[in-house]
Amino acid sequence: SAVISQKPSRDICQRGTSLTIQCQVDSQVTMMFWYRQQPGQSLTLIATANQGSEATYESGFVIDKFPISRPNLTFSTLTVSNMSPEDSSIYLCSAAGSLGETQYFGPGTRLLVL
Amino acid sequence: AQTVTQSQPEMSVQEAETVTLSCTYDTSENNYYLFWYKQPPSRQMILVIRQEAYKQQNATENRFSVNFQKAAKSFSLKISDSQLGDTAMYFCAFSNNNDMRFGAGTRLTVKP
Repeated sequence: SAVISQKPSRDICQRGTSLTIQCQVDSQVTMMFWYRQQPGQSLTLIATANQGSEATYESGFVIDKFPISRPNLTFSTLTVSNMSPEDSSIYLCSAAGSLGETQYFGPGTRLLVL
Repeated sequence: AQTVTQSQPEMSVQEAETVTLSCTYDTSENNYYLFWYKQPPSRQMILVIRQEAYKQQNATENRFSVNFQKAAKSFSLKISDSQLGDTAMYFCAFSNNNDMRFGAGTRLTVKP
């Protein structure tokens, strides 16, 4: 299994600003993903972070709002841009060794936008 | 598109008793994976158990076991000898080519 860390664990931000969330995996993985989770609710996939190419976004999520980087096989960042209170949520990073394998999750980043 | 349905928003069980959480899914795929994840109040998602669709034998992990009915597209989780630490949200998930979809979750409370 993979051990995943995220920074920051939580943050309070002003509307209009941007926040970059970091995700670090303790081993090389093929697949990395970013999810959003409202408290008490299920997970919604934002995008798949592809190493060496542009991320693949799910319907309703766009690169200008959620730019993602994946410079290598162990690290990815998600930026929440031009934040509004509606962006307040928990953002989770996950990783999988290969197609079909179990996804392991980071502890999440709790974001509050005022 | 794949969908995952958990019809029990909340459940409770007495410590040491057995509880079963339900999950159904809809897919036209033949090869896929099913998972149960646990999310305690600390919010770290933890894998509980995994089932490959091509395997007929139900997966087991200590006190956790599944009842996988492929024809019925059903994937329930049985927790035996429930412990207070089992209190958490439980999410059923379906994965095909790493396109993972989650159910709405079941909040399980284990009562002393």
